[in-house]
Amino acid sequence: DAGVIQSPRHEVTEMGQEVTLRCKPISGHNSLFWYRQTMMRGLELLIYFNNNVPIDDSGMPEDRFSAKMPNASFSTLKIQPSEPRDSAVYFCASSFPGQGAYEQYFGPGTRLTVT
Amino acid sequence: GIQVEQSPPDLILQEGANSTLRCNFSDSVNNLQWFHQNPWGQLINLFYIPSGTKQNGRLSATTVATERYSLLYISSSQTTDSGVYFCAVDRNSGNTPLVFGKGTRLSVIA
Repeated sequence: DAGVIQSPRHEVTEMGQEVTLRCKPISGHNSLFWYRQTMMRGLELLIYFNNNVPIDDSGMPEDRFSAKMPNASFSTLKIQPSEPRDSAVYFCASSFPGQGAYEQYFGPGTRLTVT
Repeated sequence: GIQVEQSPPDLILQEGANSTLRCNFSDSVNNLQWFHQNPWGQLINLFYIPSGTKQNGRLSATTVATERYSLLYISSSQTTDSGVYFCAVDRNSGNTPLVFGKGTRLSVIA
């Protein structure tokens, strides 16, 4: 399997622009997680989905952030409008809780810089 | 919510030395994972170990769930082992998000 795929790997944008990050989970995995990593706050959850349904979005910073999972093989995280404080590395992870094992696998991340 | 504490925060080793990294957590867990974040930022799965002991080459891990801690052992360290090691646990029973510790930054010098 190709693992979790994220695009783009790097994104540089100006404040106020819309940014869309994309994730393709591992085939067969039915849980998908979006995390953000910053120097100040470390790695923290933004939102997660089970079977394409958002379960917990309490980590989404504010209304500028939105996430969708239209099908089992694709998810997007959108920031509109972007701000410099959104600069971070955004990771997508997926898992399949088969037989009680909950191991999560992470994508390579998208490094976002907002100027 | 559940708390995860890792120690030490920083570690410098001579190549060939052994080390032990510790992870303490504040509540019972169903998922505990160790990751290595390499200098390119990738999070590499090392172990899925909610309990027991596992070994993979020069690395091994032990989780004592009843005492709420996990240990990661690195033997005969190499410069490629440098990076940040994260411990992460789930918040609840079942398939739920991970809560990460702040990591241990390891530097292995030749």
